[in-house]
Amino acid sequence: TAGITQAPTSQILAAGRSMTLRCTQDMRHNAMYWYRQDLGLGLRLIHYSNTAGTTGKGEVPDGYSVSRANTDDFPLTLASAVPSQTSVYFCASSVTRRNGELFFGEGSRLTVL
Amino acid sequence: DQQVKQNSPSLSVQEGRISILNCDYTNSMFDYFLWYKKYPAEGPTFLISISSIKDKNEDGRFTVFLNKSAKHLSLHIVPSQPGDSAVYFCAASEDGGATNKLIFGTGTLLAVQP
Repeated sequence: TAGITQAPTSQILAAGRSMTLRCTQDMRHNAMYWYRQDLGLGLRLIHYSNTAGTTGKGEVPDGYSVSRANTDDFPLTLASAVPSQTSVYFCASSVTRRNGELFFGEGSRLTVL
Repeated sequence: DQQVKQNSPSLSVQEGRISILNCDYTNSMFDYFLWYKKYPAEGPTFLISISSIKDKNEDGRFTVFLNKSAKHLSLHIVPSQPGDSAVYFCAASEDGGATNKLIFGTGTLLAVQP
């Protein structure tokens, strides 16, 4: 089972350019999430979606946008990248919106120069 | 302000001994706590959880202890194995473990020496 697939695995981006990180799940989970991992800060929630057609803001949503057109896909877009968005980005999904158990993808490493 | 704190960035333990990873939190509204394990170049994977109505939950070699009065939880791994070497994140949530409200700690790198 593939689970959650993220693309690209790694990307170097010039500041000011736009970028979309892709996330696809094949588990038919209703809820999906985007986190960023930074040294000394742990994992922080950027945006989430409880079900297709709805999205919500997490802890650090500024500079990012998401959409949820269907159950399987949850892309994260950086409209105009800045160096502080250099990070490892993880997409995740969950069966329910309780009990906290998330299934994560392998991550996308983004470097903004 | 860090609501979930892991004050030890790293821990080294001998194979076969006990590993104890600690986590402190400040928000008294948290009612569900979890531990995730992360290997390099992989996403975190769920390890074990505990509700605030309990003070202990055990799953094989892994036990999580919750001390609500001290706002402290710990993960015990007994016996530790080299394959346990990873970064461990604790996480906490309100509203019965609402997954869109998970707050993660900064992680502890565990190294189990053969």
